[in-house]
Amino acid sequence: AQSVTQPDARVTVSEGASLQLRCKYSSSVTPYLFWYVQYPRQGLQLLLKYYSGDPVVQGVNGFEAEFSKSNSSFHLRKASVHWSDSAVYFCAVTSGGSNAKLTFGKGTKLSVKS
Amino acid sequence: GGIITQTPKFLIGQEGQKLTLKCQQNFNHDTMYWYRQDSGKGLRLIYYSITENDLQKGDLSEGYDASREKKSSFSLTVTSAQKNEMAVFLCASSRDSGNTLYFGEGSRLIVV
Repeated sequence: AQSVTQPDARVTVSEGASLQLRCKYSSSVTPYLFWYVQYPRQGLQLLLKYYSGDPVVQGVNGFEAEFSKSNSSFHLRKASVHWSDSAVYFCAVTSGGSNAKLTFGKGTKLSVKS
Repeated sequence: GGIITQTPKFLIGQEGQKLTLKCQQNFNHDTMYWYRQDSGKGLRLIYYSITENDLQKGDLSEGYDASREKKSSFSLTVTSAQKNEMAVFLCASSRDSGNTLYFGEGSRLIVV
């Protein structure tokens, strides 16, 4: 079984500040990990994904995430947020394979104050 | 590029009514999904399909039916709509089940 925990339901930061959104996963095998973003009244869009290799992965719009096997974490970071980053961010995990399901966390709502 | 089209954007029905949501994709993806999104609960998988005419139950399949008659389309039926089922339903597709998902904009179900 696999699961994802996003411990912060809401995060508020000031424009220009740095950001970290936390994600902890549980998986019986080496996971594939994803961060998706959902802007108001839209579907989800992929920010970045980790399959293997370098534990720090770069995504769109200056986002990056770091995979830690020892901590079972995949935290999302951005050095300087913009008001347009306000959205809901979802972490997701799958075991891969031909019939694997993607399990999502409950999401973290990010509000950026200008 | 491609697109996922969900219809209708808003579906209003009465309690006990059978209601159907439709999803079309032009990515030529094999795998399609239906998720339910409730505020504060994230996304929960209802049904998915790894190929035409295949159906796999997700974690929330009770009270729902699905149909994948063509590779490009995947429909979801609420068999007897209840007021506690009001939510946003998201359709997605991927090349295979371990890969990136592409989402539609969602369909909101309203039960009166």
